[in-house]
Amino acid sequence: AQSVTQLGSHVSVSEGALVLLRCNYSSSVPPYLFWYVQYPNQGLQLLLKYTTGATLVKGINGFEAEFKKSETSFHLTKPSAHMSDAAEYFCAVSHSGGSNYKLTFGKGTLLTVNP
Amino acid sequence: SQTIHQWPATLVQPVGSPLSLECTVEGTSNPNLYWYRQAAGRGLQLLFYSVGIGQISSEVPQNLSASRPQDRQFILSSKKLLLSDSGFYLCAWSGGRETQYFGPGTRLLVL
Repeated sequence: AQSVTQLGSHVSVSEGALVLLRCNYSSSVPPYLFWYVQYPNQGLQLLLKYTTGATLVKGINGFEAEFKKSETSFHLTKPSAHMSDAAEYFCAVSHSGGSNYKLTFGKGTLLTVNP
Repeated sequence: SQTIHQWPATLVQPVGSPLSLECTVEGTSNPNLYWYRQAAGRGLQLLFYSVGIGQISSEVPQNLSASRPQDRQFILSSKKLLLSDSGFYLCAWSGGRETQYFGPGTRLLVL
């Protein structure tokens, strides 16, 4: 079984400050890891993903995340927050189940950006 | 490019009424399709997935059912809605690989 824990249901930062959203996972097999962003009343948009290879992955809107196997973590960072980054962020893990890949999501972290 | 549509965008229904939510995907063939429900503070819960026409797998026992009458169409249904069916319903597709892409969602309020 796989699971995802997002530490902090609500994170508040000032505009221009570092954004750090924490994600730890549990998986019995090598995981695929994802970060999605959700703006109010919208669907989820893929920010970035880790499958294999380089452990530091870059995504859209200046976000990046690092896969750390020893820490079972996949934290999301952005050097300088922008007001438009205010949204809910979901970390997810999946692995192959034959022809189907099932995603397991964390409960989400709401990011607030203060002017 | 691929796009995914959901309708309606918003729905208000009385308890005990039927439900039909539709999801369609364009620009791809034989996608894997997924229905999720999102409740406040609870993240996303996978309800159903389908790897082909007529092939439906249910993840959670509940008051809902799903069908896939065409390759790129996925329908979520209920015969009698419960208050607890309220939520934000998201459809997603994947090309048989690890990444899922989500539609805009349907907000359902059962009164």
